Amino acid sequence: GAVVSQHPSRVICKSGTSVKIECRSLDFQATTMFWYRQFPKQSLMLMATSNEGSKATYEQGVEKDKFLINHASLTLSTLTVTSAHPEDSSFYICSAFRDRGEKLFFGSGTQLSVL
Amino acid sequence: GENVEQHPSTLSVQEGDSAVIKCTYSDSASNYFPWYKQELGKGPQLIIDIRSNVGEKKDQRIAVTLNKTAKHFSLHITETQPEDSAVYFCAAMIQGAQKLVFGQGTRLTINP
Repeated sequence: GAVVSQHPSRVICKSGTSVKIECRSLDFQATTMFWYRQFPKQSLMLMATSNEGSKATYEQGVEKDKFLINHASLTLSTLTVTSAHPEDSSFYICSAFRDRGEKLFFGSGTQLSVL
Repeated sequence: GENVEQHPSTLSVQEGDSAVIKCTYSDSASNYFPWYKQELGKGPQLIIDIRSNVGEKKDQRIAVTLNKTAKHFSLHITETQPEDSAVYFCAAMIQGAQKLVFGQGTRLTINP
């Protein structure tokens, strides 16, 4: 399968700081990437769709000023959690859509803990 | 919009036995159905998928069946092994839409 790299895998930060998470498609170009949030023992909740060269599309209830998404190239999307608070603590996962075969591949996830 | 229901939420089987996880979807326009395996602390891994133009697909110990009329699809794992223990998610997608709708997940435990 295709490889999607996500960094960092784990981050601990103080309340009020911003955290950036990177998602890279290593062996294919992805015009579309997705960002999910997952709470313990729950399914994946889609936060936003990231389109290369254009603004991200956010799901209802997701604050776009809180979760900044940038998709500046065909292989990189970033999610920045701004002014993080303890309630933002969660497992964040990215995915990239590979046009060939029309399949979706996931990164390894980032566990964010805000103190 | 599309809604995917997955059952059971937890499943425990003896090593060597078979495991079956079932999903139903609501939108008849959905035509792509992947299954993902998620281990603790990791991202989901695509293990098998099926498109609406076929009824069954097999890859070694894993198989997926699709019934378009009933709008349900199932994951079958045979000769289960301890390393099969994980959470499994089904999903559905309308071709061209690129956005997957996930089921609630099934926590599979293989007992030695």
